[in-house]
Amino acid sequence: DADVTQTPRNRITKTGKRIMLECSQTKGHDRMYWYRQDPGLGLRLIYYSFDVKDINKGEISDGYSVSRQAQAKFSLSLESAIPNQTALYFCATSDPGQGSSSYNEQFFGPGTRLTVL
Amino acid sequence: GDSVTQMEGPVTLSEEAFLTINCTYTATGYPSLFWYVQYPGEGLQLLLKATKADDKGSNKGFEATYRKETTSFHLEKGSVQVSDSAVYFCALGGRDDKIIFGKGTRLHILP
Repeated sequence: DADVTQTPRNRITKTGKRIMLECSQTKGHDRMYWYRQDPGLGLRLIYYSFDVKDINKGEISDGYSVSRQAQAKFSLSLESAIPNQTALYFCATSDPGQGSSSYNEQFFGPGTRLTVL
Repeated sequence: GDSVTQMEGPVTLSEEAFLTINCTYTATGYPSLFWYVQYPGEGLQLLLKATKADDKGSNKGFEATYRKETTSFHLEKGSVQVSDSAVYFCALGGRDDKIIFGKGTRLHILP
């Protein structure tokens, strides 16, 4: 079984609709992240959470919100989807280990392909 | 701010060719450096990493050496296979415990 799962894997929606993307992990990691991937732009950080009570904005948080329901679950919402939010979305986790998580591997889910018409 | 620049793709090679994907970085301090790989239809996975200057990361025949003097972390493989076709991302461990990714380089290996 996959350690980091994302649902749905594909979603097509219309402009103005509210969408929630879900991420669950069985790795026991405290730190979770949401990224979007666009062709030619690489991965950009949307939000991140270092524990259940800690939520931080990334570089492109406008138009998105998140909820950390439990250590294992981190959801991303688009309150009113727009076409330029069409992208591939990834959830990731990491364990700070003995120091900064900058030294440590991030583990990625398989991604959610979102299309906003 | 911290940033990563990697060569644009796509890169197309024949099987058994030598591979280099260039990566340079800008950062304060001494960040950890990573290469991640994304196979078609999958999420990213760590390929190798180096945490200090002159360290060499290696995995699956790929290597990269942390060069502080040239702020580089180029990815190399001596003989590529069709199964190496993927997108490769250079990344650094930035401030506030975040990873900063390059834009990715798509690699095609022809049989």
